[in-house]
Amino acid sequence: DSGVTQTPKHLITATGQRVTLRCSPRSGDLSVYWYQQSLDQGLQFLIQYYNGEERAKGNILERFSAQQFPDLHSELNLSSLELGDSALYFCASSTDGKTGQPQHFGDGTRLSIL
Amino acid sequence: DQQVKQNSPSLSVQEGRISILNCDYTNSMFDYFLWYKKYPAEGPTFLISISSIKDKNEDGRFTVFLNKSAKHLSLHIVPSQPGDSAVYFCAATYYGGATNKLIFGTGTLLAVQP
Repeated sequence: DSGVTQTPKHLITATGQRVTLRCSPRSGDLSVYWYQQSLDQGLQFLIQYYNGEERAKGNILERFSAQQFPDLHSELNLSSLELGDSALYFCASSTDGKTGQPQHFGDGTRLSIL
Repeated sequence: DQQVKQNSPSLSVQEGRISILNCDYTNSMFDYFLWYKKYPAEGPTFLISISSIKDKNEDGRFTVFLNKSAKHLSLHIVPSQPGDSAVYFCAATYYGGATNKLIFGTGTLLAVQP
């Protein structure tokens, strides 16, 4: 158990809809990261937050947004969903978000767009 | 542009023998490298890491070697056990910079045969 909790585990929805994925980091971790894993692909970095502030952005679509709340949990919002958004979405957390301390991953949310 | 590459999608090894997983990178600014293991339906789990100031790091059965001039790293597992069967991801990042976002390879599926 990594200590990172992601909900829901599975999400099935239709094109054009909007969904929210939730992540609770490990106790004491201030930095949260979101990654997307499409079929047969490695994990692609989407966005990082540190103590409520956005720290880095990857190739995150404009239809996607995220935030980190004062209690340090994070939400990833995906809107105007397309078939290509079907993927595994992982959240990870680490203590300071800068050094080589490893990131700890949740078990992911599997998003299926019908 | 794939900055971290794992050119072997799969590897099969006999129990008790050595498993060698390879990873190449193109960005010379990467200065910290990590290996993660992933079982189905779970998130990636941190295995071992190495800083660019070292050429070897060992932790039990796992050893990571870094060849900076070749921009190549490898993970050695000795002896291999059936429980090691999983997908292994190589990742690279920047140590002490503005972000430690991870850039992942596409993974190698290791099958350890009893």
